Amino acid sequence: NAGVTQTPKFQVLKTGQSMTLQCAQDMNHNSMYWYRQDPGMGLRLIYYSASEGTTDKGEVPNGYNVSRLNKREFSLRLESAAPSQTSVYFCASSEGQGRRTGELFFGEGSRLTVL
Amino acid sequence: KNQVEQSPQSLIILEGKNCTLQCNYTVSPFSNLRWYKQDTGRGPVSLTIMTFSENTKSNGRYTATLDADTKQSSLHITASQLSDSASYICVVSADSSYKLIFGSGTRLLVRP
Repeated sequence: NAGVTQTPKFQVLKTGQSMTLQCAQDMNHNSMYWYRQDPGMGLRLIYYSASEGTTDKGEVPNGYNVSRLNKREFSLRLESAAPSQTSVYFCASSEGQGRRTGELFFGEGSRLTVL
Repeated sequence: KNQVEQSPQSLIILEGKNCTLQCNYTVSPFSNLRWYKQDTGRGPVSLTIMTFSENTKSNGRYTATLDADTKQSSLHITASQLSDSASYICVVSADSSYKLIFGSGTRLLVRP
């Protein structure tokens, strides 16, 4: 089983460029997440989707947009990249919601550098 | 403010030795506590999930404990192996919320 698949694995952008990170899961999970991981800090939630067609802002949503295309896919878009968005981005999925959120399954990460 | 703090930040041990990692949290109301292992360059992988009523949970050589009264958890690794070299992340879930609060992790290096 593939689990959670993210693309691309690496990307270098110039300030102001746009790009989309793709994520797909094959576990039939309703909930999907986008996190960013920066050195010395815990993972921070960017956006969350409880089900197809719904999205909610997380802790650090500014500068990002998301799209829950269907139950399998959840994409993250940077409209105008800034150096502060240099980070490692993780997509995750889980069964359940709220207090019944089950185990999170993470992708391998997308390493983004903005020059 | 909901926070999760882990100690130590980094740890070096010899292969075959045991070690214990600590996690203190101020998340309220508490729902559950999770430990994840993250190998360098990879995504986190779940080790254990404990609810309020559970005070210990094992996954092979990994044993997590939870004291909900003092809001502390520990992860004990027995007979360490080189493959245990990784970051270990403590994550706490607030009740009735999808939000998970992540600690910054403890980086463990196991040397031969």
